[in-house]
Amino acid sequence: EDQVTQSPEALRLQEGESSSLNCSYTVSGLRGLFWYRQDPGKGPEFLFTLYSAGEEKEKERLKATLTKKESFLHITAPKPEDSATYLCAVWDSSGSARQLTFGSGTQLTVLP
Amino acid sequence: DTGVSQDPRHKITKRGQNVTFRCDPISEHNRLYWYRQTLGQGPEFLTYFQNEAQLEKSRLLSDRFSAERPKGSFSTLEIQRTEQGDSAMYLCASRAANTEAFFGQGTRLTVV
Repeated sequence: EDQVTQSPEALRLQEGESSSLNCSYTVSGLRGLFWYRQDPGKGPEFLFTLYSAGEEKEKERLKATLTKKESFLHITAPKPEDSATYLCAVWDSSGSARQLTFGSGTQLTVLP
Repeated sequence: DTGVSQDPRHKITKRGQNVTFRCDPISEHNRLYWYRQTLGQGPEFLTYFQNEAQLEKSRLLSDRFSAERPKGSFSTLEIQRTEQGDSAMYLCASRAANTEAFFGQGTRLTVV
């Protein structure tokens, strides 16, 4: 069974203090790893898709990387508006699995 | 707005009542998902449609839950005889083949 573990559960940063969020996964065959941002009371907002180890994607202050066992979401010089819950999900190519399996998320708070 | 649309955004119901939620996916997306999310957790897969066919259901989906996508466009999720444990955010997502999933804003259900 696919497993996705995110750490830390919660992270508080000062504005401008860079850090990384971790997503470790166990799947039979990774077809894609996805990062989403979720604001309170709203649906997840798509950020990145990573398909193979070594791949990197960037968007503004966010950079996602992927290895064979985990993915990192690096946040450079965060701002208060980056505060949100960041969710990681995997798409498994094995069997008949068609759904995304999500981790529990990292709740990020950026203090001004 | 060409995103995924869900209705209603909020629903309060008494225990034992039936409720129905609607999801309108992005028009060119033939794949549609329902997820459930409780506080502090990631979205949990409920069911998956490809066009009008329901191809996958979670083991967690009790027989009180039923979903339809009659014409391969919008979908409905019905919960019969609601229980307090059904209180959650119900999320709908859609995607095209081999693309990321886009989520709606969700329906927040409160069972009192």
